[in-house]
Amino acid sequence: GAGVSQSPSNKVTEKGKDVELRCDPISGHTALYWYRQSLGQGLEFLIYFQGNSAPDKSGLPSDRFSAERTGGSVSTLTIQRTQQEDSAVYLCASSWDSLTDTQYFGPGTRLTVL
Amino acid sequence: QKEVEQNSGPLSVPEGAIASLNCTYSDRGSQSFFWYRQYSGKSPELIMSIYSNGDKEDGRFTAQLNKASQYVSLLIRDSQPSDSATYLCAVRLFGNEKLTFGTGTRLTIIP
Repeated sequence: GAGVSQSPSNKVTEKGKDVELRCDPISGHTALYWYRQSLGQGLEFLIYFQGNSAPDKSGLPSDRFSAERTGGSVSTLTIQRTQQEDSAVYLCASSWDSLTDTQYFGPGTRLTVL
Repeated sequence: QKEVEQNSGPLSVPEGAIASLNCTYSDRGSQSFFWYRQYSGKSPELIMSIYSNGDKEDGRFTAQLNKASQYVSLLIRDSQPSDSATYLCAVRLFGNEKLTFGTGTRLTIIP
């Protein structure tokens, strides 16, 4: 596709379960970012990838959150032992490289933890 | 103090008028400044970026940056109902890849 894609679009899970969120960036984009948007809040940076490496993991809120990127393309954000406060829209963005300012956002995954 | 602050609104503007959106930031190391538009239930869309003091115009949109006062604004001329959305201000520090966002201003254009 032409844009950033994310799956699933919606995820409802029970507290304590693990979830995996997927991001497929624009073809050729080497930089990939994960953000979280909670109700009434701005976008909160989680983690950034340049290629397969993650130079900046500073935004991950706890060790229950992890992310990986393989083949310089698809990325997976994993949340273990989900909590109700993890409920949010998780947005992925990509750009040509880390020096390029324009980040293109995907449609997001709405996560609801019951 | 939040790193990027915006008035949450809602801001109501009559159709055809100028909408003025403001944003202040706390870190003087901020280098790049962005305005994103986000329709309800949709992802953010970049509409303007600005890097130097002064004004930058693109169609009906004008971004204004004042680094000394640490604020950036967005003017929308001839406002249209389709401009009704939440506008997010974002800044990027020198040498830092991540964007820091404000909480957004909800704008409603009244026909």
